Amino acid sequence: GIQVEQSPPDLILQEGANSTLRCNFSDSVNNLQWFHQNPWGQLINLFYIPSGTKQNGRLSATTVATERYSLLYISSSQTTDSGVYFCAAVVAQGNKLVFGAGTILRVKS
Amino acid sequence: NAGVTQTPKFQVLKTGQSMTLQCAQDMNHEYMSWYRQDPGMGLRLIHYSVGAGITDQGEVPNGYNVSRSTTEDFPLRLLSAAPSQTSVYFCASSRDLAPNEQFFGPGTRLTVL
Repeated sequence: GIQVEQSPPDLILQEGANSTLRCNFSDSVNNLQWFHQNPWGQLINLFYIPSGTKQNGRLSATTVATERYSLLYISSSQTTDSGVYFCAAVVAQGNKLVFGAGTILRVKS
Repeated sequence: NAGVTQTPKFQVLKTGQSMTLQCAQDMNHEYMSWYRQDPGMGLRLIHYSVGAGITDQGEVPNGYNVSRSTTEDFPLRLLSAAPSQTSVYFCASSRDLAPNEQFFGPGTRLTVL
């Protein structure tokens, strides 16, 4: 099945810094999503982005499907951005979402 | 809308006991799914459904059963709990017949002794 790899596994930022999280996938996909899991365990869908670029406030995401990667940008980070960021993908003609292992982000004030 | 709800929030079982984790959504979503989350491994798909009466296996289906008698409800059954099933379980739903823009429930933390 498809492999989804995220980097870095851990990231510590000072409040106000910018960061880029990367997601590589091993097969063609028709579905790529980014999620944030807050310190209380709640999972929130940030982006559904099988290709192209989207922005939502301080967050933006870009997926280059032909090169099999996606990037999540966090600008002017805040302590509330802390948590785990997951990307997940569905292989083309598939119907199962496969998650990466996540990037743990800690933003310090 | 309540979104996706899960009960119970916490559960402790003894090995061999059975139980059902409840999941309901009030958004009229067709696609519903169950995941388990273990430390350092992300989420893994257990079972999913694309509508009432239709279910299929995910990555890790062994030891779990599901059914989908209504659009709203998608319960997950553990027939004979094992310590390896200690995990956090999440239910999710999405509008389409595919896992697009999934909405997650708050999770159930299950411990099997």
